[in-house]
Order: sequence, then structure tokens, then C-alpha cells
Amino acid sequence: ILNVEQSPQSLHVQEGDSTNFTCSFPSSNFYALHWYRWETAKSPEALFVMTLNGDEKKKGRISATLNTKEGYSYLYIKGSQPEDSATYLCASLNNAGNMLTFGGGTRLMVKP
Amino acid sequence: NAGVTQTPKFRVLKTGQSMTLLCAQDMNHEYMYWYRQDPGMGLRLIHYSVGEGTTAKGEVPDGYNVSRLKKQNFLLGLESAAPSQTSVYFCASRRDVSYQPQHFGDGTRLSIL
Repeated sequence: ILNVEQSPQSLHVQEGDSTNFTCSFPSSNFYALHWYRWETAKSPEALFVMTLNGDEKKKGRISATLNTKEGYSYLYIKGSQPEDSATYLCASLNNAGNMLTFGGGTRLMVKP
Repeated sequence: NAGVTQTPKFRVLKTGQSMTLLCAQDMNHEYMYWYRQDPGMGLRLIHYSVGEGTTAKGEVPDGYNVSRLKKQNFLLGLESAAPSQTSVYFCASRRDVSYQPQHFGDGTRLSIL
């Protein structure tokens, strides 16, 4: 079982603010890192799957970077909107490629 | 295309009762997973399966059993429910390619009294 940690646990921002949060994971035997967006009363939805050191992925106003050597990933949201309010989960894939270990999530609340 | 469907959505049990949660996927995915989600704990893996007829233990398997008799279905059983098993249970599936994301069901809220 991998040790995956996310910070902060929760975050309140104003509409229009840009924000970022962190996922840290063991750098040894890294395989892949997943990001999911989880709205209240819904199921988690995949944002990104990242595998290469230095990788950067983007989907609309959301982007993510990956540093496998030091074991962290950042998720950025540019110009937050109320509909971005959700819990953002990261998860590290084990080196057998079959099990994800999730962090505790960062709960983002965007005020209009 | 329904994706991942979980049945039931809600259930209340008494301590000691048994029940089975059903997960069905129509995407022909090889891999299927059962997680539980508790406040402040994130998602924790209970059991998983890498193909029809296979199962394996995850992080928190005690008190649960699983079966994958058909590729599209993954069943989670509680033989003798305990209050500590009160949780929201999520099923997920994935293609047998490591860099693919998991697809989640809507969850089953289970309360054990």
C-alpha cells in the first residue's frame, strides 16, 4: 500500500481566483498518477492519467504537472468558477499496474 | 451506454445480517474494483479482480468476500454485517491497459445498525 497525501484538505476561494493543490506520493517504483474530480452526490470522474516525469496535462482551465523524481504532482485551476466546487482526488498506481492508492482529497469550494 | 451500475443505491441492515452488493459494467472492462469511502479517509480498496474468475485482496478486505463469475459483474458480500462496515461503497472498472483511468459507479450507501 502506497502512502499518498494531498494538501490542503480543504480550500475556499472566490470566483475568478486561480488556485492549486498538491499530491505527494512515493517516488520509488513510480508507475502512474491519476487525478479525479468528485462532485457531491456523484461518482469520481477521471481528469488525468500521468506517467512521465515533467509531464503536463491540460483540460480547459484545469492543468496538472508531475515530478516523479521528488514524488509530487500539482493540480492548477485557472479562474475558478462555482461549478469547479468538488473534491479533487489523486491516486498512485502500484508497480504491478493493477491497484490505485488514493489520497484523502482536497475539497475545493468556490464562492460566487 | 450505462457504464458502471451499482445495486442497490441505499440499504439499512441490522448487525449480523448478510447482503450482496452488485456491480455491473457494460464496457467489456477486464479490471473491476470495490472501494469504501469513509469521512476523512478517502477511497480505500477492499478487493479487486483482473478478469473473470479472479479476485484479489486490497487494503481493507476483512469482513468482505467477492466473486467475479461473469466478466461484466463483480459482487461484494458481507456475510455478517458489523456497524464498522457502515460506509459508502463504490465500484469501478478499467480496461486492461495500465494507463487507463477507472470508471466509477454512483455508489451504495450502507448503514449497519
